[in-house]
Amino acid sequence: GDSVTQMEGPVTLSEEAFLTINCTYTATGYPSLFWYVQYPGEGLQLLLKATKADDKGSNKGFEATYRKETTSFHLEKGSVQVSDSAVYFCALRATGGGNKLTFGTGTQLKVEL
Amino acid sequence: NAGVTQTPKFQVLKTGQSMTLQCAQDMNHEYMSWYRQDPGMGLRLIHYSVGAGITDQGEVPNGYNVSRSTTEDFPLRLLSAAPSQTSVYFCASRSSGGSSYEQYFGPGTRLTVT
Repeated sequence: GDSVTQMEGPVTLSEEAFLTINCTYTATGYPSLFWYVQYPGEGLQLLLKATKADDKGSNKGFEATYRKETTSFHLEKGSVQVSDSAVYFCALRATGGGNKLTFGTGTQLKVEL
Repeated sequence: NAGVTQTPKFQVLKTGQSMTLQCAQDMNHEYMSWYRQDPGMGLRLIHYSVGAGITDQGEVPNGYNVSRSTTEDFPLRLLSAAPSQTSVYFCASRSSGGSSYEQYFGPGTRLTVT
C-alpha cells in the first residue's frame, strides 16, 4: 500500500540556518504530495502542495519539489526562524483522489537563537 | 468563525470506561474525519463522513463508533476504552467542493487510558 517515510527528528538548528527535511514515498501512479505543519498546541495546517511531477510547492519561504524519479518531496527553507519551530508532516493523496491522506510520522524542528 | 473545535483537550480514562470526543465545525463542510496520531505512526484515519447521516470506516476503525446527525457535529465514541487507544485524536473537515488536502484540523484531544 501507499506509504510516506520522513527523516526522524528532532532536528535542531540555529536561527538563519538552512533547513532540509527529507520525505520519500511509495505509491502507484501519480499521487499528490503535501507538507503540513503543526505548531505547539494546534492542529495541522497545510503548508504547501504539489499535484504533479516537477511541480514546486512554496509558502512562507518553504519549498518542496515533486521528484517522480526519486519518489521524493523534500522540504527546504533557506533561513529558518525561531517561529518555524513545529512538527512537519509529509503526506500523499493517492491517484484517483478519495478522502484518504497517508501521512509520514512527522519531524520535529527546533530552532534556537 | 471558530473553524474546527474539539473537546476535551485532555482526558484520562480507566480501561473499560466509555466516553465521547466532541468535534464541531462552523464552516458548513460536508466532509469530516477522525484521525489518531501515535508516536512513530503518523496520522491514521479512524472514521469519516461525507455528509449528515453518512459515515464510513477508515484505516483503524475497531473500538470506535461515530454518527453524524448534523452537518456541524461529528462525535467519536469509545464504548470500552483500552490502553491501546491512548493517543492524540484529531478531527478534520473539508468542503465537498475541495480536494482532500484542503482539510482543516482541530487542535486535538490527548487521551490516556490506564
